[in-house]
Amino acid sequence: DTGVSQNPRHKITKRGQNVTFRCDPISEHNRLYWYRQTLGQGPEFLTYFQNEAQLEKSRLLSDRFSAERPKGSFSTLEIQRTEQGDSAMYLCASSSEGGAGQGAFFGQGTRLTVV
Amino acid sequence: AQSVTQLGSHVSVSEGALVLLRCNYSSSVPPYLFWYVQYPNQGLQLLLKYTTGATLVKGINGFEAEFKKSETSFHLTKPSAHMSDAAEYFCAVILGGATNKLIFGTGTLLAVQP
Repeated sequence: DTGVSQNPRHKITKRGQNVTFRCDPISEHNRLYWYRQTLGQGPEFLTYFQNEAQLEKSRLLSDRFSAERPKGSFSTLEIQRTEQGDSAMYLCASSSEGGAGQGAFFGQGTRLTVV
Repeated sequence: AQSVTQLGSHVSVSEGALVLLRCNYSSSVPPYLFWYVQYPNQGLQLLLKYTTGATLVKGINGFEAEFKKSETSFHLTKPSAHMSDAAEYFCAVILGGATNKLIFGTGTLLAVQP
């Protein structure tokens, strides 16, 4: 399978705990994106990596959120001190270096539930 | 400012009927436009995209969309709905910039009645 892979698919955590999600993009893609999707809404952009460099962060990404892509391959998204409002689907997407018309390929997402 | 507007959060059609899902965008630069489909508890799958050239674009599963610059629209159609088309559909736009990030509409949930 050469698609975008996300783990875990589901995560239930208690409020205040830290969680970490992993995304493995399509191997030749150097662009990687994280989005968050809440119920009844479209995905909202969180952050963008080109290779290992994090080049853009949304203001949605509070200081409790941190994302890394240490070797320009897989990426992790960590949420510290989770809150109930963090409950959402977290989607990872990747694309190649080509122009904007490439669009992006999405993983199946990690659904986070904070109880 | 909302860049993508999807009219109708829920659309219901009968099997075999025409599917029409509406999308309007706002952009001061030539946009790149996309339709994605999402099945329950799944990620998003690209249906079709408009970049440049022919304004009528065909995608997977018999869907097509027409870019109308004068109407700032990119409506999604399918001549005959199938039960398997029941899903949520998202219109999205890339407005340029270095990141090529997608900006999504709020989605339209399509129900197909037997």
